[in-house]
Amino acid sequence: GQNIDQPTEMTATEGAIVQINCTYQTSGFNGLFWYQQHAGEAPTFLSYNVLDGLEEKGRFSSFLSRSKGYSYLLLKELQMKDSASYLCAVRASTDSWGKLQFGAGTQVVVTP
Amino acid sequence: DTAVSQTPKYLVTQMGNDKSIKCEQNLGHDTMYWYKQDSKKFLKIMFSYNNKELIINETVPNRFSPKSPDKAHLNLHINSLELGDSAVYFCASSQGTGGRDEQYFGPGTRLTVT
Repeated sequence: GQNIDQPTEMTATEGAIVQINCTYQTSGFNGLFWYQQHAGEAPTFLSYNVLDGLEEKGRFSSFLSRSKGYSYLLLKELQMKDSASYLCAVRASTDSWGKLQFGAGTQVVVTP
Repeated sequence: DTAVSQTPKYLVTQMGNDKSIKCEQNLGHDTMYWYKQDSKKFLKIMFSYNNKELIINETVPNRFSPKSPDKAHLNLHINSLELGDSAVYFCASSQGTGGRDEQYFGPGTRLTVT
């Protein structure tokens, strides 16, 4: 089966940096996604990694190491609106048709 | 302009009833999905359709039956509702099923079975 692990909760101060780790064990690998989900709302796409390395998009960056089965999402210059759950999702190469396996999400709490 | 819409947003019903949730996307995508998010916030795929054809059918009780009348719509009918069906159900769509085809999620339908 697939196994995707991420911390349950992280707390950080406004203006700070937070790194959310995600480790995965899947049958093959065909891409990793990060989604943001505010309470009571739909998940929204943040980033996609399929090759090793860092992808930067404004205040958010995502890193992937396929050999280690590891990714992180880096949130810089934290704002109060960044308080949300961050979901790591992996597409295994043995899974066809776009199927994503999601982690349980990391609740990030930004304090003033 | 709502990209992926679902109705209803909230659904409260009694055990044993039958209910439907509707989903529509105006993005011109070929693939649509149904996910269930339980109280522990796990988002789990239930079904997926590509161009009206069922392509993903996870281990879901057969009380759940999806139906895609056309590429832009994917409905979910649930028979004989049980307490354990209480969850948030999300519809999603994507252009394709590979590579970086990101999925766009609807606002969710919070189903409460009493």
